[in-house]
Amino acid sequence: DVKVTQSSRYLVKRTGEKVFLECVQDMDHENMFWYRQDPGLGLRLIYFSYDVKMKEKGDIPEGYSVSREKKERFSLILESASTNQTSMYLCASSLRLAGVPIYEQYFGPGTRLTVT
Amino acid sequence: ILNVEQSPQSLHVQEGDSTNFTCSFPSSNFYALHWYRWETAKSPEALFVMTLNGDEKKKGRISATLNTKEGYSYLYIKGSQPEDSATYLCAPPQGSARQLTFGSGTQLTVLP
Repeated sequence: DVKVTQSSRYLVKRTGEKVFLECVQDMDHENMFWYRQDPGLGLRLIYFSYDVKMKEKGDIPEGYSVSREKKERFSLILESASTNQTSMYLCASSLRLAGVPIYEQYFGPGTRLTVT
Repeated sequence: ILNVEQSPQSLHVQEGDSTNFTCSFPSSNFYALHWYRWETAKSPEALFVMTLNGDEKKKGRISATLNTKEGYSYLYIKGSQPEDSATYLCAPPQGSARQLTFGSGTQLTVLP
């Protein structure tokens, strides 16, 4: 079974703090993704990575950065957390074929981040 | 950003009813259309990945069809059960084809 794990299920941070969200997958997938989910807005892509040290911006990258030093691990960094970053964050991974997203994504359990 | 529309936004049906919902997307540069089911307190799970015009996929009581020329996909659930209650998300790829764009989903509640 594919397993995608995230470092925390719930996290409470203060405004201005630096926040790290970690994601690990155990299926040797090339692609990894970070999404956030807000009521009524569905899943929105923040960043994705198609290989180690490679990253591309998604639809809402402002205020976030990412790191992928190893194939199995993809980190989302909030450099200076703000209250509008309070959200559910989901990590996902998938196989990659010539850049075409024909493989399903496997999701982690999510991290509910509250910034106060 | 790709415009993906799902309708209806929410739906309540009685146990045993059959139901369907729609995903609409731009028909140009099509690569694949994904359907996911997201149950409360769980992670989204893939139902189908559809790549060909006219494709029809089935998993148990759930099936989906795809029309890439007109840019829509239907998801059908036959004989709905309470365990089918979830949000159903569709996701076509963006123009770059390396990422998906998720619709906001159809929230299905099946009443016993």
